[in-house]
Amino acid sequence: DIQMTQSPSSLSASVGDRVTITCRASQSISSYLNWYQQKPGEAPKFLIYAASSLQSGVPSRFSGSGSGTDFTLTISSLQPEDFATYYCQQSYSAPRFGQGTKLEIK
Amino acid sequence: EVQLLESGGGLVQSGGSLRLSCPASGFTFSSYAMSWVRQAPGKGLEWVSTISGSGGSTYYADSAKGRFTISRDKSKNTLYLQMNSLRAEDTAVYYCAKEIYYDSSGNFDYWGQGTLVTVSS
Repeated sequence: DIQMTQSPSSLSASVGDRVTITCRASQSISSYLNWYQQKPGEAPKFLIYAASSLQSGVPSRFSGSGSGTDFTLTISSLQPEDFATYYCQQSYSAPRFGQGTKLEIK
Repeated sequence: EVQLLESGGGLVQSGGSLRLSCPASGFTFSSYAMSWVRQAPGKGLEWVSTISGSGGSTYYADSAKGRFTISRDKSKNTLYLQMNSLRAEDTAVYYCAKEIYYDSSGNFDYWGQGTLVTVSS
C-alpha cells in the first residue's frame, strides 16, 4: 500500500500569509495526487487534481505542484475562509489520504 | 446542482448490519463512478468502496472486503452500502462521493454531508 505523509500536521498563519503544505508518497505516484479542504462539520471540498489542476470554482490563490513522491499545496495569500484542514490523496492505486494538515489562525 | 444526501446511519451493536443510501441528483447518475469514504470521529479520511458507472465493477478497501457491499440502482439514482458484521472500528461518518469519471479513478469531486454510523461494543 502507498502511504501518504503530510507536513506539518498543524500550522498557524495570519490572513495574507503565503502558506505551503507538503505531501510525500511512499513510492512514486506520478501526478496522481489530489488536494481537499475540509471545514469543521462539513464534507471535504475538491480543490486540486492531477497534482496541479485547479478544480472549477476554486480561487486562483490555491495552487499545487510536484510529481513522483513530493507534492505541495500553496495558498498565496490566506483569506479568513481558508482556515481549515487540508488533505492530500493519491489516486494512483487504491485511494489513500494523508493524515491532514490543520491550518489555524495565528 | 449536484446533490448527494446520505441516510441510514445510526447506532448498531457490534456484529449488526446497516444499509446506507445516497440518492443523487443534478448529474447523469449512470455516467459516473460513485464511492463511499468514511471519517472516524476526530480522524482523517478513509476510502471504503467504489462502484463503476454501470455497476459492473466494484472495489473495496481491505477493511471492508467480505463485510461491505456497494451497489447502485440506476432507476432510483441511488447509491447503497450494505454493511454487515459491524465492528467498533467502523464507527465513522460515511460520505457518499461522486467521481469525475465513469470508471474508478479515485478523484472525488462532490461529496454528501455524511451520515454517522456508531457501533457499540
